[in-house]
Amino acid sequence: KAGVTQTPRYLIKTRGQQVTLSCSPISGHRSVSWYQQTPGQGLQFLFEYFSETQRNKGNFPGRFSGRQFSNSRSEMNVSTLELGDSALYLCASSQQGQETQYFGPGTRLLVL
Amino acid sequence: TQLLEQSPQFLSIQEGENLTVYCNSSSVFSSLQWYRQEPGEGPVLLVTVVTGGEVKKLKRLTFQFGDARKDSSLHITAAQPGDTGLYLCAGALSGTYKYIFGTGTRLKVLA
Repeated sequence: KAGVTQTPRYLIKTRGQQVTLSCSPISGHRSVSWYQQTPGQGLQFLFEYFSETQRNKGNFPGRFSGRQFSNSRSEMNVSTLELGDSALYLCASSQQGQETQYFGPGTRLLVL
Repeated sequence: TQLLEQSPQFLSIQEGENLTVYCNSSSVFSSLQWYRQEPGEGPVLLVTVVTGGEVKKLKRLTFQFGDARKDSSLHITAAQPGDTGLYLCAGALSGTYKYIFGTGTRLKVLA
């Protein structure tokens, strides 16, 4: 079974721009979570989607948004990018009723 | 605020030594996962522990879940350079679909 895939792997943007990141979960997994990882803050939870509905949300500003499609693929969008948004963005999927999450390789975003 | 504290934060040891990493919280978890992450990559699952007091072994790695399901430990026997990486614990809060990640332990094993 293929693992979680994320595209793109690397991205460079400038302040004020917006960005969309994509995540394809493991086949059969309907829950997708997004995390931001930085050296200073560690792994911080952004949001979680299940069956196209946002089920949980972390403490991030409204510039961070996401959605999930009927095939469980998910996207997250960051608008009006700030320098502090530079981070590794990780997506994780899990099966319904299972608590173990499986992570993708991440998208490294650099905001200049 | 729910926290999951890991200790130590950094660990540099010689090949062949043993080590233990701790993960502690005041919250009760329905399960706890341990991951290892290499630079620029996503965390890779090592183990999931579910039952209080559970002990799981994965080759030279031994994982223990506390009786009260608030803490966990990872013990590595005879560490090897290939064990180098960032070790993360993550607790699942019962019934919430929420996970709390530990602060991480950066391990370096010198040959």
